[in-house]
Amino acid sequence: QVTLTESGPALVKRTQTLTLTCTFSGFSLRTSGMFVSWIRQPPGKALEWLARIDWDDVKYYNTSLQTRLTISKDTSETQVVLTVTNMDPVDTATYYCARATYYSDSGIVGPFDYWGQGALVTVSS
Amino acid sequence: YVLTQAPSVSVAPGQTATISCGGNNIETKSVHWYQQREGQAPVLVVYDDSDRPSGIPERFSGSNSGNTATLTISRVEAGDEADYYCQVWDGIGDHFVFGSGTKVTVL
Repeated sequence: QVTLTESGPALVKRTQTLTLTCTFSGFSLRTSGMFVSWIRQPPGKALEWLARIDWDDVKYYNTSLQTRLTISKDTSETQVVLTVTNMDPVDTATYYCARATYYSDSGIVGPFDYWGQGALVTVSS
Repeated sequence: YVLTQAPSVSVAPGQTATISCGGNNIETKSVHWYQQREGQAPVLVVYDDSDRPSGIPERFSGSNSGNTATLTISRVEAGDEADYYCQVWDGIGDHFVFGSGTKVTVL
């Protein structure tokens, strides 16, 4: 059974750095093609993809936010961490982690088939 | 790459809801659809344009042609009331794009 769970502070102050952890089970990030992404959703707004880390530790970022984002895996490879620097009230959102697969034979990336329940982060001014 | 969705769709129970997702030459991409009920995480309901994950009713179907991908919900039920998002992978920029979402209201 695949599960993902986000954890981190519910409230941060403007200019602080946010650190979120995604703890997962039921799959391995050592499996070729597997990756985990972070996606956020401001209240009442649409989903926005933030970052991705692959089984081989290759990382990708939303170009509009990449200077503020860092994604990493922990040594046990059962957790993925996202840091967001210089937080602002506009970053108030529910942050989700989700799993997907890259199919190297076709060069196609699959859908986000499993999601965490999300972590609401509020940024105070 | 931009995906455009209508903000809302209203449908009576038992009728068919059609949700569109517009994008430049979207037919060349694989489109995925997610259902997000109020206060819950998104759930994948259609992937690769028209395939359904296990556990998703056959009432959910998808298609993709030209500049428009479509999610169709047949025999709509009260439990289908939710926001629906389309999503593609933009291989050029190697990033993921979500549509703006369509709120389906069951009358």
